[in-house]
Amino acid sequence: AQSVTQPDIHITVSEGASLELRCNYSYGATPYLFWYVQSPGQGLQLLLKYFSGDTLVQGIKGFEAEFKRSQSSFNLRKPSVHWSDAAEYFCAVGDTGGSYIPTFGRGTSLIVHP
Amino acid sequence: NAGVTQTPKFRILKIGQSMTLQCTQDMNHNYMYWYRQDPGMGLKLIYYSVGAGITDKGEVPNGYNVSRSTTEDFPLRLELAAPSQTSVYFCASRDRGSTEAFFGQGTRLTVV
Repeated sequence: AQSVTQPDIHITVSEGASLELRCNYSYGATPYLFWYVQSPGQGLQLLLKYFSGDTLVQGIKGFEAEFKRSQSSFNLRKPSVHWSDAAEYFCAVGDTGGSYIPTFGRGTSLIVHP
Repeated sequence: NAGVTQTPKFRILKIGQSMTLQCTQDMNHNYMYWYRQDPGMGLKLIYYSVGAGITDKGEVPNGYNVSRSTTEDFPLRLELAAPSQTSVYFCASRDRGSTEAFFGQGTRLTVV
């Protein structure tokens, strides 16, 4: 069965600092991978996704993520964090068997200090 | 463009009561999902549907029921509410051939 591990429950960074959120997945084949962001009281919004091809994917709001098959990882990065980036971030792996049901990690809460 | 709409946004239920969480989407998506979100647990799939008239269980279906009589609507039914069902519920939809799911804003349910 597919699974996702986000090892960090909370991450605190200063505004303007760089950010990396970790994600490790378990899946039997090449997975579909996603990062979603959830602002307080809101639903989830897709930041970026990986299906195949270039292992470095660009997303919205200046985020990027790199797929590393050898490490089963799909870490999310941003070179300079803004206060508005404070939110909950979810990594997800999608079933490639046709139903594409995403399985989510438990989430990482990003706190941004001024 | 409404996307995925969930009602109500908040609800308090007493133990043993029943209710239906409504979800409707206006994007003509075939696939629809119900998730529950508990603190520190991420999102767990309750039920999903691949089209009108077809539903299937997810990871945590016990205590819930769904129906899909139309493409647009995917209501989630709680028959006998229990405190363990206190959670935030999200509905999502996806177009056939796409892997991007669109989420509603959630329903916060408290069972007391």
